[in-house]
Amino acid sequence: GEDVEQSLFLSVREGDSSVINCTYTDSSSTYLYWYKQEPGAGLQLLTYIFSNMDMKQDQRLTVLLNKKDKHLSLRIADTQTGDSAIYFCAGKQNAGNMLTFGGGTRLMVKP
Amino acid sequence: DTAVSQTPKYLVTQMGNDKSIKCEQNLGHDTMYWYKQDSKKFLKIMFSYNNKELIINETVPNRFSPKSPDKAHLNLHINSLELGDSAVYFCASSPRLAGDGSDTQYFGPGTRLTVL
Repeated sequence: GEDVEQSLFLSVREGDSSVINCTYTDSSSTYLYWYKQEPGAGLQLLTYIFSNMDMKQDQRLTVLLNKKDKHLSLRIADTQTGDSAIYFCAGKQNAGNMLTFGGGTRLMVKP
Repeated sequence: DTAVSQTPKYLVTQMGNDKSIKCEQNLGHDTMYWYKQDSKKFLKIMFSYNNKELIINETVPNRFSPKSPDKAHLNLHINSLELGDSAVYFCASSPRLAGDGSDTQYFGPGTRLTVL
């Protein structure tokens, strides 16, 4: 099955860029997702990328996919204190539309 | 209007009890899911239902029995609760089972279950 790994923790200063990294093992993952979870809340979809794309930009968010290295990253430009949350990457295999999540990266933004 | 809703938000109960968590989505989606998030924040799929039919059961003990009375609802019933069942349970839905990235999963707010 798929394994998805993320670093546990990232701390940045307000206004800096944040880069959250994720690696996955299953090259057949067709779509890769980033979700945000604020304290005590559910998961909010931020963005997703199809496996034949290298990059996707959506306002302050940039997703980079290196399919050869099975590496996915999420860049948040001009990080704000409201961006403090846990960020999960997830890969999807077509069979059963199942998502496999990484362990989450806790982003702390200091004023 | 809440897209994916779950009740209750918090559930505290004794070991050995039977409890249910309800999930409803008003998005008109065909597929619904249950995930378990443990204390270390690891999220793992438990079940997937498509048009009221079970598609995935990821080695979940048979004490857990999902029920889908219609495609807008997927309830989770747990018998003989154990300490290890304490977690946050998330319901999710997606437009359909297989296809392209537009089958994005939308999550409910979660139900925090504590077994004493």
